[in-house]
Amino acid sequence: DAGITQSPRHKVTETGTPVTLRCHQTENHRYMYWYRQDPGHGLRLIHYSYGVKDTDKGEVSDGYSVSRSKTEDFLLTLESATSSQTSVYFCAISPVAGEITDTQYFGPGTRLTVL
Amino acid sequence: TQLLEQSPQFLSIQEGENLTVYCNSSSVFSSLQWYRQEPGEGPVLLVTVVTGGEVKKLKRLTFQFGDARKDSSLHITAAQPGDTGLYLCAGAPVNFGNEKLTFGTGTRLTIIP
Repeated sequence: DAGITQSPRHKVTETGTPVTLRCHQTENHRYMYWYRQDPGHGLRLIHYSYGVKDTDKGEVSDGYSVSRSKTEDFLLTLESATSSQTSVYFCAISPVAGEITDTQYFGPGTRLTVL
Repeated sequence: TQLLEQSPQFLSIQEGENLTVYCNSSSVFSSLQWYRQEPGEGPVLLVTVVTGGEVKKLKRLTFQFGDARKDSSLHITAAQPGDTGLYLCAGAPVNFGNEKLTFGTGTRLTIIP
């Protein structure tokens, strides 16, 4: 199994509070991703990173920011959480993304509830 | 935004039966992947298909990419309880690698012993 951990695994917070989710990898993979998974929507890409300090937006980036100061860590921040951001968040990694056969390896997920 | 629709959304069958799930889009993809996800875990890649008309087999699972690279199917022969899970297809847009995968809505499969 790819070495990916996410923290926290579960979090309950209140509307308007800031929240940071962490993804840590031990594989030295270049690409890291944040997805959210909601019933009826599958997985949707929030942001991804293609190197230290290099990030790009995904399909549902509004209300989220990311940072990657080290190869192994990719942080997802909700500056002011809203109830619509209640979801399960998955981090994924891949060694490269230029090859169409590249595999993404997923972490165990973080269940976030915004009250 | 490219959309991938999966059908059926839910499927519950007896052990030993055969089944097919579908992944359809109006958009062309450079490749298509199938993942399986179990409760409380992240998705795990099963297969990647890249050529129109391509067929890949993984034991009792057969994956096919449509000739026009807009759709795919997953056929399971003699389903077993271990096949239970959420099956997701994911397409890589043309001119991109896998950094911007579009995921389908998923098929939740339950195999009854």
